[in-house]
Amino acid sequence: SQTIHQWPATLVQPVGSPLSLECTVEGTSNPNLYWYRQAAGRGLQLLFYSVGIGQISSEVPQNLSASRPQDRQFILSSKKLLLSDSGFYLCAWSWGGPDTQYFGPGTRLTVL
Amino acid sequence: TQLLEQSPQFLSIQEGENLTVYCNSSSVFSSLQWYRQEPGEGPVLLVTVVTGGEVKKLKRLTFQFGDARKDSSLHITAAQPGDTGLYLCAGGGGADDYKLSFGAGTTVTVRA
Repeated sequence: SQTIHQWPATLVQPVGSPLSLECTVEGTSNPNLYWYRQAAGRGLQLLFYSVGIGQISSEVPQNLSASRPQDRQFILSSKKLLLSDSGFYLCAWSWGGPDTQYFGPGTRLTVL
Repeated sequence: TQLLEQSPQFLSIQEGENLTVYCNSSSVFSSLQWYRQEPGEGPVLLVTVVTGGEVKKLKRLTFQFGDARKDSSLHITAAQPGDTGLYLCAGGGGADDYKLSFGAGTTVTVRA
């Protein structure tokens, strides 16, 4: 069976510090991978998606970036965090098309 | 961008009552998914519907996809406190082949 992991689960960072969130998927190959951000109690904002190693599509211009160094690894990064980067970050995977995405447990990021 | 509108935004009912959540769009989707999310966790897929007019039942939950594949509803019969959560609909297969469009969510609270 497939599983998706995210870490860390929670993170508190000062403004201006760097960020690295990691997501890995087990039990499948060549998945589509997604990074979302969610405001409290609201819907999901797609940040990045990747359909293959080294392929990244950006949805929202901002100070975040994503990389896919391995088939089942997806990393979300920032060189300098802003207060507005606080939120709940979710990684998801799908196979084939975008339908039926499976989500990780999320990372709660607080920027102070 | 294809928009999905969910209504109502908030719903609070007593245990044993029925509820319906709606998901509407002006766009046609090839598939529609419903997710439930609990605080601090990732969304969990409940169902995927792909055929116009399709009805799927999952225990006390009934999902319907509109004939024109532009809208969907989620009906819960005899709601229980365990049904409490954020319900999200998502549409796939639109102009953006690798992305889902998410609604803003409906927060359901079932009081014991």
